[in-house]
Amino acid sequence: GAVVSQHPSRVICKSGTSVKIECRSLDFQATTMFWYRQFPKQSLMLMATSNEGSKATYEQGVEKDKFLINHASLTLSTLTVTSAHPEDSSFYICSAKASAFGELFFGEGSRLTVL
Amino acid sequence: KQEVTQIPAALSVPEGENLVLNCSFTDSAIYNLQWFRQDPGKGLTSLLLIQSSQREQTSGRLNASLDKSSGRSTLYIAASQPGDSATYLCAVTSVQGAQKLVFGQGTRLTINP
Repeated sequence: GAVVSQHPSRVICKSGTSVKIECRSLDFQATTMFWYRQFPKQSLMLMATSNEGSKATYEQGVEKDKFLINHASLTLSTLTVTSAHPEDSSFYICSAKASAFGELFFGEGSRLTVL
Repeated sequence: KQEVTQIPAALSVPEGENLVLNCSFTDSAIYNLQWFRQDPGKGLTSLLLIQSSQREQTSGRLNASLDKSSGRSTLYIAASQPGDSATYLCAVTSVQGAQKLVFGQGTRLTINP
């Protein structure tokens, strides 16, 4: 299957700093990328939908000024957690698809710990 | 609003048994349904994708069925192995969902040697 690479896999930062997570589709062009958040032993919660060249669409309750999403090319989307706080500590996962209703492929996830 | 439910939440069986995981969804107007596997602390691995026009898909020891009209899907795992231990998630793309997947809560499967 297609490969989606996510980096970094783990990051620890101090409260108040910003953290950037990258999501790359390695062998296909992703028209749409999605960012999810997952709390321990819970399912995935969609945060936002990212389309190349346009602004991301955020789900209700997700602060767009805190979770900045940039989809600058068909193979790269970034999620920046600005002014991170301990409650932002979570597992963040990106996914990508090559066509509107095609198969969805996931990155390995990034575990963020804010001290 | 689409809702996806998976039963059971957890399942533990001896190695070698055949087993079935269940997934139900409230809105039958879907484009497709996808089954994923998630190992602890890892991302999701796509197992099977069933388009709305299809009844089932098979990959190795895995078989997924889809009954769109009744809002149900099953994932059948034959001759289970300890390496099959993981959380299994199903997700649907709704016609009204703007390409977004709606996930179930998952079934945590443990295969005992």
